[in-house]
Amino acid sequence: AQSVAQPEDQVNVAEGNPLTVKCTYSVSGNPYLFWYVQYPNRGLQFLLKYITGDNLVKGSYGFEAEFNKSQTSFHLKKPSALVSDSALYFCAVRDTGGSYIPTFGRGTSLIVHP
Amino acid sequence: EAGVAQSPRYKIIEKRQSVAFWCNPISGHATLYWYQQILGQGPKLLIQFQNNGVVDDSQLPKDRFSAERLKGVDSTLKIQPAKLEDSAVYLCASSSTEGSKNIQYFGAGTRLSVL
Repeated sequence: AQSVAQPEDQVNVAEGNPLTVKCTYSVSGNPYLFWYVQYPNRGLQFLLKYITGDNLVKGSYGFEAEFNKSQTSFHLKKPSALVSDSALYFCAVRDTGGSYIPTFGRGTSLIVHP
Repeated sequence: EAGVAQSPRYKIIEKRQSVAFWCNPISGHATLYWYQQILGQGPKLLIQFQNNGVVDDSQLPKDRFSAERLKGVDSTLKIQPAKLEDSAVYLCASSSTEGSKNIQYFGAGTRLSVL
């Protein structure tokens, strides 16, 4: 069975500092990995995805994520955080060796302090 | 391009009552998803449609939940009868094809409170 873990409920970072939101996964086949962001009272918005190819994926709003197969991780990063990046971030995985049902992590609340 | 539309935005009902949610996906999107997002958790897929056919409903509590997409466009999700534990945000999403690579576009959701 596939699963996603986001080990941190909350990440705090000062504006201008780099940020990392962690995600690890477990699948039987190869993973398709996604990051979504959710602002208050809004639906989830796509940030970036890894399907195949380069391990470093660049996405919207200056975010990027690095796929690490040996560590089964797909951490979300940004070199310089903005207050407006404060939101709920979800990692999701689909298993190419399984049922293709998307599984989401429980989310990480990112708080960027001025 | 118009996004995924959902209604109502909020609904409050008493347990054992019935409720229905409506979703209109992005025009041309063949795949439609319904998710349940309980407070403090990530979205959980309830059902996935490809056009008007069900691709997966393995996580749908079929004794009380039902969903349909009769003409392959908009969809309704129904709960009958509702339980306290059904309190959640119900998210609808769509994507252009069923392929698992494709990005899902989410609506704003319907927040259900069961009292």
